[in-house]
Amino acid sequence: AQSVAQPEDQVNVAEGNPLTVKCTYSVSGNPYLFWYVQYPNRGLQFLLKYITGDNLVKGSYGFEAEFNKSQTSFHLKKPSALVSDSALYFCAVRPYSSASKIIFGSGTRLSIRP
Amino acid sequence: NAGVTQTPKFQVLKTGQSMTLQCAQDMNHEYMSWYRQDPGMGLRLIHYSVGAGITDQGEVPNGYNVSRSTTEDFPLRLLSAAPSQTSVYFCASSLTGDRGVQPQHFGDGTRLSIL
Repeated sequence: AQSVAQPEDQVNVAEGNPLTVKCTYSVSGNPYLFWYVQYPNRGLQFLLKYITGDNLVKGSYGFEAEFNKSQTSFHLKKPSALVSDSALYFCAVRPYSSASKIIFGSGTRLSIRP
Repeated sequence: NAGVTQTPKFQVLKTGQSMTLQCAQDMNHEYMSWYRQDPGMGLRLIHYSVGAGITDQGEVPNGYNVSRSTTEDFPLRLLSAAPSQTSVYFCASSLTGDRGVQPQHFGDGTRLSIL
């Protein structure tokens, strides 16, 4: 079965430190990979995507993500965390074989302490 | 340009009642979808549409109906509300070019409680 896993329900980081939010996937073929962020009482907002090419993709608000095909991972990273980065983060995959259906992970709550 | 608009923002229903959640987008997106968000489960796809007149089932379609008579609107109907349908519902839209590489735009959600 096709799936997306976000193994950490919560990640706690001190402001100014680097952060990583983990995502692994299991789909057939070459997937399209996305990260979204959700602030309280709002819908999801697009951060970045990987389609093909360079394994390191850059997105909004200083976030980047590294695609690793051998490990089937797409971890979200930021070199220096801000308190305003505190939110719920979702990894999503759109299988090439089923472009109309998107699979979301369960979400990781990122908490940045001052 | 309002993006994706969902109404109502909050709703409380009694078991057995029916209602329609509205979703409208003004970006001329072909693809529209409905998700429900439950704690610890992420977003689960209910129904989706790749264009006017075309709809298909997602992961959790039971108890919900959709229609797509125009490009702009994609309402979600609860036929006979059950407490298990208490959730936050999100509508999303995107372009469909390049076999799905376009990111989705989300509304702010409808918070639905079934008593």
